[in-house]
Amino acid sequence: DGGITQSPKYLFRKEGQNVTLSCEQNLNHDAMYWYRQDPGQGLRLIYYSQIVNDFQKGDIAEGYSVSREKKESFPLTVTSAQKNPTAFYLCASRREWGTGELFFGEGSRLTVL
Amino acid sequence: AQSVSQHNHHVILSEAASLELGCNYSYGGTVNLFWYVQYPGQHLQLLLKYFSGDPLVKGIKGFEAEFIKSKFSFNLRKPSVQWSDTAEYFCAVNAATGGFKTIFGAGTRLFVKA
Repeated sequence: DGGITQSPKYLFRKEGQNVTLSCEQNLNHDAMYWYRQDPGQGLRLIYYSQIVNDFQKGDIAEGYSVSREKKESFPLTVTSAQKNPTAFYLCASRREWGTGELFFGEGSRLTVL
Repeated sequence: AQSVSQHNHHVILSEAASLELGCNYSYGGTVNLFWYVQYPGQHLQLLLKYFSGDPLVKGIKGFEAEFIKSKFSFNLRKPSVQWSDTAEYFCAVNAATGGFKTIFGAGTRLFVKA
């Protein structure tokens, strides 16, 4: 079955540590996205990528970094510079650039201790 | 800048009650509109979408939404809710031409009492 796989589902980290969240898709979609979900705030866009080796900052990119070396992979690194990293992170992809619905992974919940 | 406003953060209904969740967006151009749903423990999935044509769109599980361009609204409706509709609902919008960013509302948590 085609879909988006995020790992790990749950992650605990100490303050000051970087952590990388994995996102892999086998839908052959060009565009991929990272959102952060916090209670009462909906989904906020962190980074997005239209094609391989290209990515753009979203609305809340500070303290995060991404790479897009392969079409199917779009990992997100939460750095120690992110002031409030505890959140639920969602990866998504879209078949057509600019239109069409987003397909989501099951999410990764990061807790900073 | 684009923005999406959902009127209610929490809604509690009894089974068989009618549902209407409000959604207003702010954007000057042509838009694509979506409602996504997140059932407990499941990933976000598309409920319905509007790109063009008939402003009344029907989605899965008996849901429908009406696009009213003059009001910048895209309200979600269901005539009779079920306990299984308990979920969080998100309204979203992106620009119809070259709209690479999908903007989401804050979400509405719906709890349906059996």
